[in-house]
Amino acid sequence: AQSVAQPEDQVNVAEGNPLTVKCTYSVSGNPYLFWYVQYPNRGLQFLLKYITGDNLVKGSYGFEAEFNKSQTSFHLKKPSALVSDSALYFCAVRVLLGGATNKLIFGTGTLLAVQP
Amino acid sequence: KAGVTQTPRYLIKTRGQQVTLSCSPISGHRSVSWYQQTPGQGLQFLFEYFSETQRNKGNFPGRFSGRQFSNSRSEMNVSTLELGDSALYLCASSLEPSALAPTDTQYFGPGTRLTVL
Repeated sequence: AQSVAQPEDQVNVAEGNPLTVKCTYSVSGNPYLFWYVQYPNRGLQFLLKYITGDNLVKGSYGFEAEFNKSQTSFHLKKPSALVSDSALYFCAVRVLLGGATNKLIFGTGTLLAVQP
Repeated sequence: KAGVTQTPRYLIKTRGQQVTLSCSPISGHRSVSWYQQTPGQGLQFLFEYFSETQRNKGNFPGRFSGRQFSNSRSEMNVSTLELGDSALYLCASSLEPSALAPTDTQYFGPGTRLTVL
């Protein structure tokens, strides 16, 4: 089955330290991968996406993600965490089922907590 | 450019009632998708509309329906509400439908928080 997994429910990191939020996927064919962030009582905000090309994708707010085909992973990273980065992060993969039946499948989300 | 807007932001209904939620996409975006977000099931795809036609549908009962107008605005309707329908309903818009442009980014609105009592 085509899916995306976020193995960590929560990630804790100290402000100023690098952060990584993990995502792995399982799809047929080429994956189209996305990262979104959700703040309390808000919708999802787009951070970045991988379509093709360079494995390191840069996005909004200093975030970047590394696509690794052999490990089927798309981990979100930031060199220096801010307290304001504390939020719920979702990885998503576009599943191409043919014709009109394409779906964006989301992971279960990872809560990032950045301590001052 | 204004983002995706959803109205109302909060709604309280009782079991058996029906509800209509509204979504206005980003100007120029022609595709609108709806998602349900709950603590137990996470984010689940409901349906996608483009050119006033449903193009894609998730695994939800027929009580969940939607439509899209000629200006790309969309509404979703839930009839005969159940307690389990309590959720955050998110609308997302993109330039083109996923079938034509699977790499297009979907931009989300703030959501409508529906509580069923």
